Amino acid sequence: EAQVTQNPRYLITVTGKKLTVTCSQNMNHEYMSWYRQDPGLGLRQIYYSMNVEVTDKGDVPEGYKVSRKEKRNFPLILESPSPNQTSLYFCASSSFNYGYTFGSGTRLTVV
Amino acid sequence: TQLLEQSPQFLSIQEGENLTVYCNSSSVFSSLQWYRQEPGEGPVLLVTVVTGGEVKKLKRLTFQFGDARKDSSLHITAAQPGDTGLYLCAGAAGGYQKVTFGTGTKLQVIP
Repeated sequence: EAQVTQNPRYLITVTGKKLTVTCSQNMNHEYMSWYRQDPGLGLRQIYYSMNVEVTDKGDVPEGYKVSRKEKRNFPLILESPSPNQTSLYFCASSSFNYGYTFGSGTRLTVV
Repeated sequence: TQLLEQSPQFLSIQEGENLTVYCNSSSVFSSLQWYRQEPGEGPVLLVTVVTGGEVKKLKRLTFQFGDARKDSSLHITAAQPGDTGLYLCAGAAGGYQKVTFGTGTKLQVIP
């Protein structure tokens, strides 16, 4: 089944403790992206990647890192999480611009 | 940053009624997508439109891309409770450019 798999689904962590949210797709898509979704603010793009080793900042990249060493994986790294990074995170992939396939989301709480 | 404004923000209608959701921007997009999102889940792609003036139908849903490729509409005929959800439009500037999401329309269809 074609899908984007994110892990974990839920995560509660403390301020400053480094964490990684994994994202993997099995559709051989070139384009992958991370979004956060917050009430009243909608979906905002954090980082995107057009292919292996090619990444670029979205609208809200501060406090996040990404890497794209393999085509299928696009992890999101929070080096020193803060409470304002509490959010619902989505990974998505696409072939060209014909529409995203989204993961099921990761609900992150930073206390 | 390209902005996509959706209207209305909220819509509560009775089963069987028709409705239209609008997505507007001052920017030109090479493609525009519509998604539906259930609470706590990732958005699911409904349709992608790429040609100015294009009309696509998906059962009771009709999507239209404006002639100038700056706006789009989603029309639902005879709405059903299963149509309840958050509807999002998203525009891509071209190629692998980052995708910008609209503000969303929350639809509730009352049985």
